[in-house]
Amino acid sequence: EIVLTQSPGTLSLSPGERATLSCRASQSLINNYLAWYQQRPGQAPRLLIYGASNRATGIPDRFSGSGSGTDFTLTISRLEPEDFAVYYCQQHGSSPFTFGPGTKVDIK
Amino acid sequence: EVVLLESGGALVQPGGSLRISCAASGFTLRTYAMSWVRQAPGKGLEWVSGIGGSGETLYADSVKGRFTISRDNSKNTLYLQMNSLRAEDTAIYYCAKGICSGICYWGADNWGQGTLVTVSS
Repeated sequence: EIVLTQSPGTLSLSPGERATLSCRASQSLINNYLAWYQQRPGQAPRLLIYGASNRATGIPDRFSGSGSGTDFTLTISRLEPEDFAVYYCQQHGSSPFTFGPGTKVDIK
Repeated sequence: EVVLLESGGALVQPGGSLRISCAASGFTLRTYAMSWVRQAPGKGLEWVSGIGGSGETLYADSVKGRFTISRDNSKNTLYLQMNSLRAEDTAIYYCAKGICSGICYWGADNWGQGTLVTVSS
C-alpha cells in the first residue's frame, strides 16, 4: 500500500497570498497518478487536479499541480475567501487508492 | 448533469449488515470506474472499494472479506453490501465517479453528498 504524507498539517495565510501544499508518496507513483481535492466544511470533496497537473473541468487557473515520482505540489496562486478549506491528495494509479491526511488552509 | 444520490445509511449494531446504494443519473454508470470513499466523523478521507468499467472489484484491506461492491446496470445504481460491521466503520460513505478525459482513470470527478452509517450498540 502506498502511504501519502501531506505537509504542512495547517497553513495559515491571508486572502491574496500564495499557498504551496506538499504531498509525498512512499514509493514512485505509476504515471504520476496523483489527484488533489478540496473539501469545505459540510460538503463533499471536489476534484481539483488529476494526473499530477491536469486541472479538472471548471477549476480556476489559480490552482495548479506539479511534481513527479514521489513529490507533488498543489499551488494556489492567490487565495480567494472560498479557498480556505481542507485539501487532500490521493494516488489513483495503484489499488488501494490511498489518500493523504489532508492540509487545512485557514485564515491568518 | 451528473448526479449521484446515496441512500440506505442507518444505525446498525456491531456485527450487523447493511446495504447502501448510489443512484446515478446523467451518465451510464457501467462505463466508468466507480468508488466508495468514507469519512469518519472529524477525520480524513479513506478509499474503501471500487468497481471498474469491465467489472473488476477492488477493496481496501480494512474491509476486504466483509464488504462487497456491485452495480445494477439496468437501474444505473451502485451498491455496497457491508457485513460484520464494526464501530470503526462508522462514517459518511460517499459514492464517486471515475475520471474520463480521453483516457479513464480511477480517482473521482463527481461525488454524492454521502450517507451516514453508524455502528453502535
